[in-house]
Amino acid sequence: DAKTTQPNSMESNEEEPVHLPCNHSTISGTDYIHWYRQLPSQGPEYVIHGLTSNVNNRMASLAIAEDRKSSTLILHRATLRDAAVYYCILKTTGAGSYQLTFGKGTKLSVIP
Amino acid sequence: EAQVTQNPRYLITVTGKKLTVTCSQNMNHEYMSWYRQDPGLGLRQIYYSMNVEVTDKGDVPEGYKVSRKEKRNFPLILESPSPNQTSLYFCASSFLQGTSGANVLTFGAGSRLTVL
Repeated sequence: DAKTTQPNSMESNEEEPVHLPCNHSTISGTDYIHWYRQLPSQGPEYVIHGLTSNVNNRMASLAIAEDRKSSTLILHRATLRDAAVYYCILKTTGAGSYQLTFGKGTKLSVIP
Repeated sequence: EAQVTQNPRYLITVTGKKLTVTCSQNMNHEYMSWYRQDPGLGLRQIYYSMNVEVTDKGDVPEGYKVSRKEKRNFPLILESPSPNQTSLYFCASSFLQGTSGANVLTFGAGSRLTVL
């Protein structure tokens, strides 16, 4: 999987929007952008994924730059339960696509 | 409830004593995988399986074995555990859809293993 770059940590106030950035300048045309998060003492859980267009689901929104070299995970109203490590991952299609390489992610702290 | 179940959740053992961590999923997923998570190193893939009787090495397979005799189960075997295998282990599974880049993984809750 191609490399992603994320800030080590971010802070947000409760009930405010959070924008978690991810740079992936070496992304290829068929790479999907996936976001997972890991709450304390739990396994990673899927948040959202996309290819080219912006995506929304009940958990978050994913904004993908037009050149696809960066993306932003948007939590519309941060809650204390959103405090977690967020991983941005590129997932390829085709041979070797079943590898999912996690980086160090961004540790999000939510301040009450 | 759709889930990936790992057992045991916590285990303390001694060097050389064979152990097995079980993983079972109830979602009829073809793909299953094992990861280990260590401070400062993140999640690293150990082995994965694309279907029954099909397994392959991940990034850190040394010291581990796996088997996939049934679709729902993917046990991780440590034949002779050593202290450097002390870690937090996660099992995960997913469908193998046509466009595999879109496959979404479901993770288990983790198994914390300590080898003395």
